[in-house]
Amino acid sequence: AQSVAQPEDQVNVAEGNPLTVKCTYSVSGNPYLFWYVQYPNRGLQFLLKYITGDNLVKGSYGFEAEFNKSQTSFHLKKPSALVSDSALYFCAVKTGANNLFFGTGTRLTVIP
Amino acid sequence: NAGVTQTPKFRVLKTGQSMTLLCAQDMNHEYMYWYRQDPGMGLRLIHYSVGEGTTAKGEVPDGYNVSRLKKQNFLLGLESAAPSQTSVYFCASSYQGLLTYQETQYFGPGTRLLVL
Repeated sequence: AQSVAQPEDQVNVAEGNPLTVKCTYSVSGNPYLFWYVQYPNRGLQFLLKYITGDNLVKGSYGFEAEFNKSQTSFHLKKPSALVSDSALYFCAVKTGANNLFFGTGTRLTVIP
Repeated sequence: NAGVTQTPKFRVLKTGQSMTLLCAQDMNHEYMYWYRQDPGMGLRLIHYSVGEGTTAKGEVPDGYNVSRLKKQNFLLGLESAAPSQTSVYFCASSYQGLLTYQETQYFGPGTRLLVL
């Protein structure tokens, strides 16, 4: 069975500092990994995805994520955090044709 | 291009009442999905559809029914609402590309449902 873990409910970072939001996964077969962001009272917005190829994936708003097969991780990163990055971040994995399994989410707060 | 829209935005129901949530997308996507979001649990798939006239159960289908009579619309029904169905409901859609597992899901803004 597939699953996704986001070990941190809350991440706080100072504006301008690098940020990391962690995600680990467990799947049978090749993983297809996604990051979504949710701003207050809004739906989820797609940030980036890993399907195959280069382990470093670049996405929207300056975010990137590194796929690490040996550690079964797909951490989200950004070199310099903005206050506007404060939101709820979800990691998700897809292996079947129609099912996207989400982690429980990590709330990122960027402190001015 | 409105993307994925949901109506209503907010609704209060009494236990036992019924209602239908409407999802519409204008991106000509084949796949549509209904999720519920509860605190500390992420999003869980209720039902999904791979095309007009077809539906299938997701992870938490009990107490819900769906219909996909038109490609652009996906309806979620609660026949007899229960307090456990208090949640935020999100609809999503995706394009079925040539490579099956590569599509990105696009989400609506959500419907907040409170069942008393």
